[in-house]
Formats: sequence, structure tokens, C-alpha cells
Amino acid sequence: DIQMTQSPSSVSASVGDRVTITCRASQGISSWLAWYQQKPGKAPKVLIYGASSLQSGVPSRFSGSGSGTDFTLTISSLQPEDFATYYCQQANSFPRTFGQGTKVEIK
Amino acid sequence: EVQLVESGGGLVQPGGSLRLSCAASGFTFSSYEMNWVRQAPGKGLEWVSYISSGGGSIYYADSVKGRFTISRDNAKSSLYLQMNSLRAEDTAVYYCARELGYYDHFDYWGQGTLVTVSS
Repeated sequence: DIQMTQSPSSVSASVGDRVTITCRASQGISSWLAWYQQKPGKAPKVLIYGASSLQSGVPSRFSGSGSGTDFTLTISSLQPEDFATYYCQQANSFPRTFGQGTKVEIK
Repeated sequence: EVQLVESGGGLVQPGGSLRLSCAASGFTFSSYEMNWVRQAPGKGLEWVSYISSGGGSIYYADSVKGRFTISRDNAKSSLYLQMNSLRAEDTAVYYCARELGYYDHFDYWGQGTLVTVSS
């Protein structure tokens, strides 16, 4: 199975800050990576797929990069509605696996 | 508008069974692969199972293999998860999620249904 490791587990940031979350796969997954945002009590929502493609309707302050084993989700200017938990997920092979999540909290 | 609506969750005793359903609307259900993903209280996301558009290809997480069965009825635009031999660690919110074939990401999710396994 491919293990997905996110860092940090949590980050405290202020509105307007640039936030970067990393995700490392235990083996190469090319660009078969998606990022999801989840708010409390809600279903996850896809932000990025194919490592760097922005899902329709997602604000352009979200961006993804990387390929192989190392990936990054960047929020260029944090907005109040961005405080949530973020997950990476590999779609290279079964079983699909998620990272453990990164909680973005208000500083 | 794409909608996925799960149902069938509830309280069940250890060793019991439950069948979850996911009713799909707003898209051609038979054209899409589908998945079940769960989330234990206060924990992260865990992928559970996948089924191809025609039902001919199925995968499971090791944690549920041999106990859970995924199926679909394309004529009814519905996805199912039969859960047997339930354990306390199966307690979670269960989401159905549509998989888009381009980079296989989950582009639509249901609101989830809570399964609680407890005596």
C-alpha cells in the first residue's frame, strides 16, 4: 500500500498569510494526487486533482504542485473561509489512501 | 445538479449487519465509478471500497475485505454497501463519492450517514 504523509499536522495562520502544506507518498505516484478541504460536519470538497489542476469553482488562491513522491498545496492569501482541514489522496493504485490531514487554524 | 444522498445508517450491535444506500441524481450514474469513504469520529478519511461503472471491477480496503460488499443498480441510480460482522472500529460517517475518470479524483460527495457499532 502507498502511505501518504502530510506535514504539518496543524498550522496556525492569520488572514492574508501564505500557507503551504506538504504531502509525501511512500512510492512514486506520478501526478495521481488530489487535495480536499473539509469543514466540520461537512463532506470533503475537492480543490486540486492531477497534482496541479484546479477544480472548477475553486478560488485561484489555491494551487498545487509536485509529482512523483513530493507534493504541495499552497493557499496564497488565507481567507476566513479557508480555516478547515486539508487532506491529500493518491489515486495511483488501490487501495486509495489519504494523508492524515492538516488542520489550518486561526492564529 | 449532481446529488448523492446516503441512507441506512444507524446503531447496530457488534457482529450485526447494515446496508447503506446512496441515491444518485443529476448525472448519468451508469457512466461513473463510485466509492465509499468513511470517517471515524474525530479522525481522518479512510477509503473503503470502489466499484467500476458497470460493476465488473471492485476493490476493498483490507480493513473491510471479506465483511463488506459493494454493489450498484444502474437502473435505479443507486450504490450500496452491505456491511456484515460489524465491529466497534467500523463506527464512522460513511460517504459515497463519485469518481471522475480524469486523474480519478472524487468530485462529488454525499452528506454522509452515521454508522454506530455498539452494544
